[in-house]
Amino acid sequence: AQSVAQPEDQVNVAEGNPLTVKCTYSVSGNPYLFWYVQYPNRGLQFLLKYITGDNLVKGSYGFEAEFNKSQTSFHLKKPSALVSDSALYFCAVRDEGTDKLIFGTGTRLQVFP
Amino acid sequence: GAGVSQSPRYKVAKRGQDVALRCDPISGHVSLFWYQQALGQGPEFLTYFQNEAQLDKSGLPSDRFFAERPEGSVSTLKIQRTQQEDSAVYLCASSLWTSSEQYFGPGTRLTVT
Repeated sequence: AQSVAQPEDQVNVAEGNPLTVKCTYSVSGNPYLFWYVQYPNRGLQFLLKYITGDNLVKGSYGFEAEFNKSQTSFHLKKPSALVSDSALYFCAVRDEGTDKLIFGTGTRLQVFP
Repeated sequence: GAGVSQSPRYKVAKRGQDVALRCDPISGHVSLFWYQQALGQGPEFLTYFQNEAQLDKSGLPSDRFFAERPEGSVSTLKIQRTQQEDSAVYLCASSLWTSSEQYFGPGTRLTVT
């Protein structure tokens, strides 16, 4: 069965510092990986996806993610964090058989001024 | 352009009542998904439509849950005889094709008292 794991419930970072939110995956075939962000009382917003190609994927709001096949990881990164980046971040993998998304448990990012 | 919209945004139901949750996907999007998000958890798949065809309903927790998309556009998720464990945020998402990224609505927060 396909799955993703987000090992950190919360990540704290100072504004201006680089941030990393971790995600590892388990799939039987080629991974289709996604990152979404959720602000309070709002739905999920798409940030970026990896289907194939370059291992470094660039997305919205200055975020990028690095796909690492050997480590089965897809970590979300940003060179310089903003207070407004504080939110709940979800990693997800697309189920090849049904196209549904399988989400991780989420990581709360807190950026301090 | 307009995103995915859902109504109502909030619904309080007494245990045993029936509820209907509406989703208006992005115009032209072929695929429509329903997810359930419990407090502090990641979204979990409920069901999936491609146009008007319901291709996967494996995530529906019981036969009290029913979804339809009769004309391949608007979808309704109906829950009969609501129970307290049905309390959650119900998210709708649409995508242009089955393999493209999903765009989420703001969700309907259902509270069963």
